[in-house]
Formats: sequence, structure tokens, C-alpha cells
Amino acid sequence: DAGVIQSPRHEVTEMGQEVTLRCKPISGHNSLFWYRQTMMRGLELLIYFNNNVPIDDSGMPEDRFSAKMPNASFSTLKIQPSEPRDSAVYFCASSLGDRGLSPLHFGNGTRLTVT
Amino acid sequence: TQLLEQSPQFLSIQEGENLTVYCNSSSVFSSLQWYRQEPGEGPVLLVTVVTGGEVKKLKRLTFQFGDARKDSSLHITAAQPGDTGLYLCAGRPGKLSFGAGTTVTVRA
Repeated sequence: DAGVIQSPRHEVTEMGQEVTLRCKPISGHNSLFWYRQTMMRGLELLIYFNNNVPIDDSGMPEDRFSAKMPNASFSTLKIQPSEPRDSAVYFCASSLGDRGLSPLHFGNGTRLTVT
Repeated sequence: TQLLEQSPQFLSIQEGENLTVYCNSSSVFSSLQWYRQEPGEGPVLLVTVVTGGEVKKLKRLTFQFGDARKDSSLHITAAQPGDTGLYLCAGRPGKLSFGAGTTVTVRA
């Protein structure tokens, strides 16, 4: 199993530019999560999907952030326009179900730097 | 405010020593998970505890879930440099919430 695959691994962009982060979950997993990790705030849940449907997007910071899951094997997180305070490591994770004992399987993250 | 408070924030010890990290909350959790994260990688699940008072062992790691299911601890015996990493606890009520983590450094 290839695990959760995220791309790109690193992204450096200028303030105001659009950024798109990509995620391929583990085949057969029906829940997908986007997290953001910073030194100040730790791991924050941004949004999660169950069976490709967004269930909880209360963690999305503001309208500049949007996420889609067009099918069971692909999701994107878009920031438009990007700002320096968006600099962080963004993780995608998938699991079998969104409740109970299902462990999260994380990708290796995308390190985003906005200058 | 973190739902789960982890302590200490940083811990640096010599190889062969023991260590304990803590995860505390005022909320009751139906289950609690511990993850370890190494630099440049995502967190990886170590264990899930479900029952109050439960103790689970994973080689040199011992995990305990408090009787009231509000707290948990992770004890590492005879730590090795390979134990270095960020240890995160995560729990539910509702959606999974993560603590801020304890950064453990084991010096050779």
C-alpha cells in the first residue's frame, strides 16, 4: 500500500498567489481529513469529508480556503489569495470511517511558505 | 485553548533513561489515541485506548488511560535515540482533537 500521497512536498509562493495542495487517500478509505500544523497552534483540523461529502468545515480559517473531493481517490485544498500567515505544513489523512476507533493515516505533508 | 493539554512540552534525556509524558483534559473521551511524528513526516498511530484504567504495552512503551477517561500517560522504558519525535495524543468526543504534543529528544 502506497499510503496517503500528498503533492507537492514543498511550495513557496508570493503573497496573493493561488495555491493548490493535492491528496490521494488510501484506496478503500472513505474519510479524508485536511489538517494544518504550526508551532503556535499545533495540528488543527480544517475540514473533513465522508464518502466525498464535506461533513465539517468549521476549521477552515476563512473564505480564502476551499476544499473539494470530486471522487474517492482525490482531494484538493486551495488557498486564494494566499497570505504569509498561511505558511504551515498541511497534512492530508484518511481513515475507514470518521468515528470510533478508526486510526488516521497521514501523508507526509506539504510545507507551504508564503512570502 | 487546547481540548487536550500535553506535558511537558519538551523533554530531553540520555539514552537508557525512562520518561513519561502526559495528556490531560477536563472532558471525557470515548477513546484516546497516541501518535508519534518524526521530522518531515506525518503522525503515525502508536495505540488506541478505549476502557477507563486500560494499560497497553508496545515493546518499551506503556500507555495508560485514566479511570475517568479524561487523561492518559505514555511511559518509555530505557529510551533509545529511535524514540526521538513528537508525541501527540488525540481524542474524541465528536471529531478527533489533537494535543499540542511533547517533543522528545533521546541523546546517544
